[in-house]
Amino acid sequence: AQTVTQSQPEMSVQEAETVTLSCTYDTSESDYYLFWYKQPPSRQMILVIRQEAYKQQNATENRFSVNFQKAAKSFSLKISDSQLGDAAMYFCAYRRPNDMRFGAGTRLTVKP
Amino acid sequence: SQTIHQWPATLVQPVGSPLSLECTVEGTSNPNLYWYRQAAGRGLQLLFYSVGIGQISSEVPQNLSASRPQDRQFILSSKKLLLSDSGFYLCAWSVPGLLYEQYFGPGTRLTVT
Repeated sequence: AQTVTQSQPEMSVQEAETVTLSCTYDTSESDYYLFWYKQPPSRQMILVIRQEAYKQQNATENRFSVNFQKAAKSFSLKISDSQLGDAAMYFCAYRRPNDMRFGAGTRLTVKP
Repeated sequence: SQTIHQWPATLVQPVGSPLSLECTVEGTSNPNLYWYRQAAGRGLQLLFYSVGIGQISSEVPQNLSASRPQDRQFILSSKKLLLSDSGFYLCAWSVPGLLYEQYFGPGTRLTVT
């Protein structure tokens, strides 16, 4: 069974600093997608970044980047130059046909 | 562009009352549709998904049911609500046949009293 584990329930970062959120997953499939979603206090789920498993190059979206280690089944999110608006719950997700499996989430606090 | 709507945004219902939450998608055809529930401070649990009109798959046995009467309409229902049905309900859609991301609606906060 595919599972997604986020081992950091809470993380804190100083504004303008860099923070890395961890995620590991379990799968026997070779072709899949991984995502990071952000859920601010409004609770709207917002896509942050996605990674195709067949691509070796790590995905990057502005201040957000991932470190995808396929053999280790690890998919961490790095947020550079953290901003107050980055404060939210972050969910790692594994995409399989007809559904998405989510981790339990990491609550990120950004200190001014 | 595609848009997903959910209503109501907030709902307070007594135990034993019926429930109907609606989700509609605009700007796309034959989407895959999903219902998730999120308990306070927790991750998302998939409840139902649908790949077409009248086609519903259930992930978790529960007090809820889902229906898809039209291509872009997805309804979550219950005949008698339980206290444990309280939570935040999210509808999502995705492009069929691909492993792309899911796009989420704004959610419905349900409190069963």
